[in-house]
Amino acid sequence: EPEVTQTPSHQVTQMGQEVILRCVPISNHLYFYWYRQILGQKVEFLVSFYNNEISEKSEIFDDQFSVERPDGSNFTLKIRSTKLEDSAMYFCASSEGGGYASDTQYFGPGTRLTVL
Amino acid sequence: EDKVVQSPLSLVVHEGDTVTLNCSYEVTNFRSLLWYKQEKKAPTFLFMLTSSGIEKKSGRLSSILDKKELFSILNITATQTGDSAIYLCAVERRTGNQFYFGTGTSLTVIP
Repeated sequence: EPEVTQTPSHQVTQMGQEVILRCVPISNHLYFYWYRQILGQKVEFLVSFYNNEISEKSEIFDDQFSVERPDGSNFTLKIRSTKLEDSAMYFCASSEGGGYASDTQYFGPGTRLTVL
Repeated sequence: EDKVVQSPLSLVVHEGDTVTLNCSYEVTNFRSLLWYKQEKKAPTFLFMLTSSGIEKKSGRLSSILDKKELFSILNITATQTGDSAIYLCAVERRTGNQFYFGTGTSLTVIP
């Protein structure tokens, strides 16, 4: 069964460093999402992406965050200058449809980011 | 402010019990409500509900949506230890592709 994959599974970085979290969505899916979950807290929406541009972003997704689909398969989340409070599990998700055609999102296994 | 509230926050039951998990929401331009099960890491999809009063079933799990009263319930009958997980409710807005998650209900099923 097709699945969303994410790498790395765990990333440790120093405060102020840049990190790139990678996701490979399900191949025929067109909508991509990033979420984060701080330990013990709820899942929070960060951004959605369609047709090579951001379609929606939350207030968490400030200038230090960016997303990119550098090729036909990868979808990346970059955090430019990490802060301690960026430590969280970051989930990528993809869906076949979106917009007017609400569709199920399939989540990747997550990347645990630890900022020291 | 858009929000999704789940109750109870946690629940401990014995195998074989039936549980009802609640999700209420205040989200503008509602499109759909989704239930997820989160065990160790990533949430896995259970149900998507868009219409009031139509029950969705999958084995021992079922869910229904009330768009007038703005809530949904997730029922699990004859619970098993493998049902132990956090159950997340998320609501999708019609505008954009934004989802709001509740804090989840932590269910523990003891033998």
